[in-house]
Amino acid sequence: AQTVTQSQPEMSVQEAETVTLSCTYDTSESDYYLFWYKQPPSRQMILVIRQEAYKQQNATENRFSVNFQKAAKSFSLKISDSQLGDAAMYFCAYEAAGNKLTFGGGTRVLVKP
Amino acid sequence: NAGVTQTPKFQVLKTGQSMTLQCAQDMNHNSMYWYRQDPGMGLRLIYYSASEGTTDKGEVPNGYNVSRLNKREFSLRLESAAPSQTSVYFCASSEVYGGERNEQFFGPGTRLTVL
Repeated sequence: AQTVTQSQPEMSVQEAETVTLSCTYDTSESDYYLFWYKQPPSRQMILVIRQEAYKQQNATENRFSVNFQKAAKSFSLKISDSQLGDAAMYFCAYEAAGNKLTFGGGTRVLVKP
Repeated sequence: NAGVTQTPKFQVLKTGQSMTLQCAQDMNHNSMYWYRQDPGMGLRLIYYSASEGTTDKGEVPNGYNVSRLNKREFSLRLESAAPSQTSVYFCASSEVYGGERNEQFFGPGTRLTVL
């Protein structure tokens, strides 16, 4: 079974600064997708960014970017120019064949004004 | 376009009671999912339905049953609720376009407490 590990329970960042969240996963598959989801206090799960394993280029979405290291099975999320609205739980997730997501335990991001 | 809707938003049950959580999506997606999220944890898959008429177990199916009523609706039933089933339940849906797997869209969640 695939596992996803987020080793940082909580990260704090100053507004306008940059924070990086770590994620590692375990799989024997070669074709899969990786996602970062944001969960604010409202509980709504919001997709932040996704990465296809066959693509070498790291995905970016505005202030959010990833560092995908396939050999190391690492998938970190960088939030640049942090804003107060970025404060939330962030979940790394893995999806292989069958469209079933496996989530990590989450990292809480606190943004200090 | 409401996306994924869930009812109810909150529910309190006594041990042994039964209930059904309802989920509907209006995005014409084939695949639908039920997850649970325990405090301080990520979501875990309970059951999923790859297409209308099919269902399959996920990581934590014990104590639950599901019904894919039609393409839009996917319900989750607790036959005899237990305190260990106290959790937040999320429904999600997704589609595969041209071989590309796309994001799962999530409902707002149902907070269930079993006393």
